[in-house]
Amino acid sequence: NAGVTQTPKFQVLKTGQSMTLQCAQDMNHEYMSWYRQDPGMGLRLIHYSVGAGITDQGEVPNGYNVSRSTTEDFPLRLLSAAPSQTSVYFCASSYSAILNTEAFFGQGTRLTVV
Amino acid sequence: AQSVTQLDSHVSVSEGTPVLLRCNYSSSYSPSLFWYVQHPNKGLQLLLKYTSAATLVKGINGFEAEFKKSETSFHLTKPSAHMSDAAEYFCVVSDLENTGNQFYFGTGTSLTVIP
Repeated sequence: NAGVTQTPKFQVLKTGQSMTLQCAQDMNHEYMSWYRQDPGMGLRLIHYSVGAGITDQGEVPNGYNVSRSTTEDFPLRLLSAAPSQTSVYFCASSYSAILNTEAFFGQGTRLTVV
Repeated sequence: AQSVTQLDSHVSVSEGTPVLLRCNYSSSYSPSLFWYVQHPNKGLQLLLKYTSAATLVKGINGFEAEFKKSETSFHLTKPSAHMSDAAEYFCVVSDLENTGNQFYFGTGTSLTVIP
């Protein structure tokens, strides 16, 4: 039962570097999303996808790109890392994009930008 | 527009005493409501969910929540706190407004359990 798998678990970047956070789910879920978690702010939606080939912006999309070439994978790209992107990132998936189904979360990626 | 307000950022209880974590929501449509728990340095785990069936919802580890539409509330309760309940708790609302199955998180309530 892998569920939602995120890699890496920890990452330190220098300002200006780029990187990709990986997310994969093995539950054939339609809906996938990326959140960032900052102290006192809960989780905020960065980008989401309602199916392969379809992505859209969430609440805080600036500085991030996503793509969804397969149902299973939903990578998040940081184009040019900034200290403001220091955060914990969570990937989540849900069975359906049109039904109110629960979200399953990965274990998170703790990113520090110096 | 959807939003969630968790009324307490920190709650502290003694072991064996009741737990009450408060959540109010706003939603333009019939919402689904969830409570998630996050233990330190861990991911989020679903505690319970309301999706328009029974208004009193039972979850894992003895937690339950009651959906009160008139009060737009979904408070989380547990009769007797255990040390292992110490964690961060998030109230979440989801509905099917234009953008599909989006989740809106509260800012979280940190629960401390005193021995």
